This record gives sequence, structure tokens and C-alpha cells, in this order.
Amino acid sequence: DTGVSQNPRHKITKRGQNVTFRCDPISEHNRLYWYRQTLGQGPEFLTYFQNEAQLEKSRLLSDRFSAERPKGSFSTLEIQRTEQGDSAMYLCAWREQGIYFGPGTRLTVT
Amino acid sequence: EDKVVQSPLSLVVHEGDTVTLNCSYEVTNFRSLLWYKQEKKAPTFLFMLTSSGIEKKSGRLSSILDKKELFSILNITATQTGDSAVYLCASSQGGGQNFVFGPGTRLSVLP
Repeated sequence: DTGVSQNPRHKITKRGQNVTFRCDPISEHNRLYWYRQTLGQGPEFLTYFQNEAQLEKSRLLSDRFSAERPKGSFSTLEIQRTEQGDSAMYLCAWREQGIYFGPGTRLTVT
Repeated sequence: EDKVVQSPLSLVVHEGDTVTLNCSYEVTNFRSLLWYKQEKKAPTFLFMLTSSGIEKKSGRLSSILDKKELFSILNITATQTGDSAVYLCASSQGGGQNFVFGPGTRLSVLP
């Protein structure tokens, strides 16, 4: 039982293709985060939204990555011209006392 | 650069043992430290610590923060095989809106 749903849960794509992930809050969450986790590492912060405003972006978020949160509801994360190094679990999260993660989208770039 | 270090990186124990996992941090504008348990899915939130010396406890798990020495520990008593997981800690940075994670400690509890 999580506070957000993420789609798709798994995505396999070829290098150079564009992909888009979606995060839908189940209840209202003012602060929505995107993190990325690669095998054997802890999650890495990518970006976060306060309602519809994108307030912070990590240096990890190259110009191939873009995130939106129109109307402060669902959020999307797009990766253009995917590279094999983009293969990871992409986690949407919300903030209450701590940070709570959704189920994630596992991306494999072949 | 802000960083979080965890030790040990992996640990193998037998059921019934008590374990202590360590987390040290070097971040700007520290506000809180988080602990998570991760099995074969997204990390699950365990504790948030903001004040030194105040123990947080949930069943057999407990955690404490030392803001002077910049570290936290997570204790698990009477371990069970279901405690096998990666335990992550994360420190707030730059005012507290995002968090930097450590690499995790992989705990294996043998029957």
C-alpha cells in the first residue's frame, strides 16, 4: 500500500529511444520527488516539486532528463536519447515525516 | 561534497544475534536522518531522527542519533531471517528538502 502509483512498472527500451514514466499520487501530496537507484547503490535524488513548481534539480539531471507536474497532481519524468547508463529503478516519492517511496519503474536500456 | 557512509557494507549473522549498523554523515545544514529497509522492492521507511540522544524504537529495531559526532546507529535485537535486507540511511542536505543516501548495509540472517 503506497501513496503513489507508478507506471509502467517495467520498461525495456533500445538505446537512443525516449521514455516517459508517470507517477500518480493516491492522495494529495504537496511535495513529490524523483529518485534513481542503480544496483548496489542507495537512491540518488533527481528533482522535487512543491505542488506544480519544480524547486530543485540535481546535477545528475542532465539535459536529457525533464520532469513535470502539471496542476500539482501527477508527475512525469522523461528521458530522451536513452543510454545504457540510464538503466536503473526510477522511484517517485512523497514527503510526510520522512520520504516514502512508490513501487518504482525499472528501466532497462539495451 | 555531502556524503553518507555506512558500515559494514555487508554482514552475516545467525538468528537470535543482535546487530548494530552504522551511519555517518557529512552534509551542509543537517536537519534529519532517515533509516530504511529494502528487500526486493522500493525502500520502506523505518525511522526519522532529528534530535541527539533520543532513541526511536519499533519492535526489535531501535535507532539513535549523535549530532555532535555526526553518526547514527540502527540496532536489531533477536534477529530473524525476515530481517535479511539492505538497510539504508539518508541525511537531509541543504535545508532539508532532499536527502542523500548511503550505499546501504546488506544484512543476511541465517537460520
